[in-house]
Amino acid sequence: GDSVTQMEGPVTLSEEAFLTINCTYTATGYPSLFWYVQYPGEGLQLLLKATKADDKGSNKGFEATYRKETTSFHLEKGSVQVSDSAVYFCALNNNAGNMLTFGGGTRLMVKP
Amino acid sequence: KAGVTQTPRYLIKTRGQQVTLSCSPISGHRSVSWYQQTPGQGLQFLFEYFSETQRNKGNFPGRFSGRQFSNSRSEMNVSTLELGDSALYLCASSLDVEGMTGELFFGEGSRLTVL
Repeated sequence: GDSVTQMEGPVTLSEEAFLTINCTYTATGYPSLFWYVQYPGEGLQLLLKATKADDKGSNKGFEATYRKETTSFHLEKGSVQVSDSAVYFCALNNNAGNMLTFGGGTRLMVKP
Repeated sequence: KAGVTQTPRYLIKTRGQQVTLSCSPISGHRSVSWYQQTPGQGLQFLFEYFSETQRNKGNFPGRFSGRQFSNSRSEMNVSTLELGDSALYLCASSLDVEGMTGELFFGEGSRLTVL
């Protein structure tokens, strides 16, 4: 079946550091890929998405490129802020509905 | 515009009991999905309802069931509770139009503790 693997956290960075959170997937066909974020005390929210190979999703300074050849969708940000501290989830959707397969989540902590 | 509303937010039950959780989606959203979040298993899909019909189902035992009403509100039920059912249950709604599949809006969840 489909699966998503994320790098384990926590990831601890200083403010203005470069962020990469790795995400790889296993799926048949051509899934859509997503990053969701869960800020402390809040519900999950969509950060960005890509629906086909070589698409780049971007939002709030975060970017991720759909790489079919490496089955990856790594999340990057050039300069993190304390307010980016959260848990980040990579996910894929590979069917006609809204069933998402999530990775295990990566906790990011940004220190001032 | 109101977000996804889940009730109750917290509840404590004992083994063997049953529980019903409720979810009100964003107005106009016809798809409602349920997920279980635990520290050990992460986020796992339970089921999705669209226009009162179950469209997708995850790998959970039959003790877990759900339904959707004509106003798109949804409930999920867990019968014969086990300790391992302790989790945060998340509801998500979607506008479900072409090009937006997978774009879910999540509620804050119902935290169930089974003693």
